[in-house]
Amino acid sequence: EVQLLESGGGLVQPGGSLRLSCAASGFTFNSYAMSWVRQAPGKGLEWVSFISVSGNSIYYADSVKGRFTISRDNSKNTVYLQMNSLRAEDTALYYCTKGHSSAYYMFDYWGQGTLVTVSS
Amino acid sequence: EIVLTQSPATLSLSPGERATLSCTASQSVSSYLAWYQQKPGQAPRLLIYDASNRATGIPARFSGSGSGTDFSLTISSLEPEDFAVYFCQQCSNRPLTFGGGTKVEIK
Repeated sequence: EVQLLESGGGLVQPGGSLRLSCAASGFTFNSYAMSWVRQAPGKGLEWVSFISVSGNSIYYADSVKGRFTISRDNSKNTVYLQMNSLRAEDTALYYCTKGHSSAYYMFDYWGQGTLVTVSS
Repeated sequence: EIVLTQSPATLSLSPGERATLSCTASQSVSSYLAWYQQKPGQAPRLLIYDASNRATGIPARFSGSGSGTDFSLTISSLEPEDFAVYFCQQCSNRPLTFGGGTKVEIK
């Protein structure tokens, strides 16, 4: 059974930092691209970042470029999102997602999310 | 950035009825379109990928069609568990973008 377990969310002041982690199990982690997608309270979905199997291809939404860094450790079956210079508009539930085997920019499994709240 | 517009915003139907949801892209996305279902308090679930392929475990009452700029998701006969919010997503161009969602509610 595929499981994606996010952690690391919490309350942080504007300008602060957080590091999200996503522990994956139930599939061959080093064979699939991973992404982070966020959802502000009561709002729609926003793609945040993508990382390829090897980590050689990495992409970001313009709204987080230069502030967020995605990475993965295939030996630990974990993907990370380092979030710096956080803003109020980054407040959201952050989902870790697994890329589909044949359409890796589409997300066939999602974690339950970790809530990030940016507020003073 | 490719903008996806979903219509209607809300669809009020009864169980057993047919639901047709629309997603229109601001420019062609070929067939690089997915549909997701989200229920309250839950993560989204992939229903359809590449415009018309059902994801693993998705019932046959869900079908997707379209290419280019105009897409639709059809639920042939609504079951009680199908009342939810549905999102489309394109992956033709970065940034990947989602539509604003269609809520299918019980009439």
